Amino acid sequence: KQEVTQIPAALSVPEGENLVLNCSFTDSAIYNLQWFRQDPGKGLTSLLLIQSSQREQTSGRLNASLDKSSGRSTLYIAASQPGDSATYLCAVKDNAGNMLTFGGGTRLMVKP
Amino acid sequence: DVKVTQSSRYLVKRTGEKVFLECVQDMDHENMFWYRQDPGLGLRLIYFSYDVKMKEKGDIPEGYSVSREKKERFSLILESASTNQTSMYLCASRGGARYTFGSGTRLTVV
Repeated sequence: KQEVTQIPAALSVPEGENLVLNCSFTDSAIYNLQWFRQDPGKGLTSLLLIQSSQREQTSGRLNASLDKSSGRSTLYIAASQPGDSATYLCAVKDNAGNMLTFGGGTRLMVKP
Repeated sequence: DVKVTQSSRYLVKRTGEKVFLECVQDMDHENMFWYRQDPGLGLRLIYFSYDVKMKEKGDIPEGYSVSREKKERFSLILESASTNQTSMYLCASRGGARYTFGSGTRLTVV
């Protein structure tokens, strides 16, 4: 059964820093991987989607990479801002099945 | 953009009540999902549906049922609410590879 782990569980950085969030998964037979953002008490907002054949995706200050063979993905946030404070979740969709398996999330706080 | 709408942001229900959580998507997606989210346990899949009147159990279906009578609407039903079903409930829709989530319903069972 696929397991997804996110490290660290929480991160606090000063504004302006570049930072990396990590996601690892146990079964490399994935169809795609998606990064989400969740603000407190709210739903999930999709940030980036990487297909299994892709190495990375970029959107603005966000860059997500995927190394399927080693079971890892990273989300890079450049020049962090207080508005980036949220919980970031990664989720993988396996080749078999219709479901997403989520990591536990990284709670990010960017201090002004 | 796809919109997934959950009818209630907050609900408070009594133990034993029958509870309906409604979810509507506006992009004709075939696949819809219900998750619950709890501190320390993350998001867990309750049920999903891949077409009208079709449903599959997820990881934690006990105590829940679902209904998909129309393509755009996927309902989660708590037949007899219990306090351990107090949680944040999230509905999602999938078109192609991308999942879109609703804003969530925070349900408290007292």
